[in-house]
Amino acid sequence: DTAVSQTPKYLVTQMGNDKSIKCEQNLGHDTMYWYKQDSKKFLKIMFSYNNKELIINETVPNRFSPKSPDKAHLNLHINSLELGDSAVYFCASTPKRGRPNTGELFFGEGSRLTVL
Amino acid sequence: GENVEQHPSTLSVQEGDSAVIKCTYSDSASNYFPWYKQELGKRPQLIIDIRSNVGEKKDQRIAVTLNKTAKHFSLHITETQPEDSAVYFCAAGNTDKLIFGTGTRLQVFP
Repeated sequence: DTAVSQTPKYLVTQMGNDKSIKCEQNLGHDTMYWYKQDSKKFLKIMFSYNNKELIINETVPNRFSPKSPDKAHLNLHINSLELGDSAVYFCASTPKRGRPNTGELFFGEGSRLTVL
Repeated sequence: GENVEQHPSTLSVQEGDSAVIKCTYSDSASNYFPWYKQELGKRPQLIIDIRSNVGEKKDQRIAVTLNKTAKHFSLHITETQPEDSAVYFCAAGNTDKLIFGTGTRLQVFP
């Protein structure tokens, strides 16, 4: 059983295209995140959703639009892809926000996006 | 803004030696300090964490120390093994939002 699963694992596309990455967690967690890991391995938070509500948006360009249809799913849509968007995108989840919470982030396997 | 600095960026040790990775953070409101290990091509995974009401925590060969006054925290790995080779990330924040350090690539040579 995969706790946090992302699709696709690999994505190669041309500049200017639009693409989506999907994430699902079966842990019953309320909070989900998108992190970006660039070629230097820096892990940066992009977005956080708590029970379908956006709670963190780290000044990510408007070309990135997250969507959470329910608390088990968090998708990321990227418009007009640029070379600098090439990275590994990690989805993650944690248990209920604000309540006794271990704080542990459960990461998906990552989606490697390559923009040519 | 919030910032977490991590040193060194690379660390090479002989099997059996100890390894120490250090981090400093800027946000004094941070109360949660986890460490993640990321093996090549894999996802980051939590290995140990510490909260602001504790100064030290140990789990077998791994220990973390926290100095809230100085805003420093460190990871100590003793008796290193080749399978400890990975990228290690510190992070600081709270259980809703974490800022990660820049990572340390640890190589343990047999």
